[in-house]
Amino acid sequence: QKEVEQNSGPLSVPEGAIASLNCTYSDRGSQSFFWYRQYSGKSPELIMFIYSNGDKEDGRFTAQLNKASQYVSLLIRDSQPSDSATYLCAVIRGSGGYQKVTFGTGTKLQVIP
Amino acid sequence: KAGVTQTPRYLIKTRGQQVTLSCSPISGHRSVSWYQQTPGQGLQFLFEYFSETQRNKGNFPGRFSGRQFSNSRSEMNVSTLELGDSALYLCASSSLAGGQPGELFFGEGSRLTVL
Repeated sequence: QKEVEQNSGPLSVPEGAIASLNCTYSDRGSQSFFWYRQYSGKSPELIMFIYSNGDKEDGRFTAQLNKASQYVSLLIRDSQPSDSATYLCAVIRGSGGYQKVTFGTGTKLQVIP
Repeated sequence: KAGVTQTPRYLIKTRGQQVTLSCSPISGHRSVSWYQQTPGQGLQFLFEYFSETQRNKGNFPGRFSGRQFSNSRSEMNVSTLELGDSALYLCASSSLAGGQPGELFFGEGSRLTVL
């Protein structure tokens, strides 16, 4: 079992729809959860992070965390063609300097105009 | 504020050769980590340096090594290159002191092709 699992996709959604990206993790000691976006040929960039169970909203993006079920998700409302990218889930165990960051393999999102 | 700078951006080597990649973090960032990205495996953690000390290490063979200098610049070296080492090597810096844990700022990467 991989430590962090994501469906590789591609996930295709029409413009204006809600895109739902999911990530599961195996380490129950994981404490922080990050979503990165990576455009083709570019480096990953941070979208948002979440530490506590529940929802966290930032503009069109909502991160959801359920530690009991060990999953974290990212919802993108009113999806735009510019959202087409690969979304990487990162799970962090530890804090301060001694932290282990594990990335999922990413989900490719395609927003169809 | 300048971002993370990686050099070279592209390079081609042959099997058995060695390669050195360089990374200059964001000014003030003392943590530098390295990742290997391939289509099949995604982003895999190589190692992380803080104040010239390697603090964390991934599951890569000893052919992969790195170091960090007093100005926080870092280098990674791969010796005896294999075809499977062809990948995008990403460097990321983090402030840790003021930033959130795991908030990584990535460079554009060094794309290595081994023939």
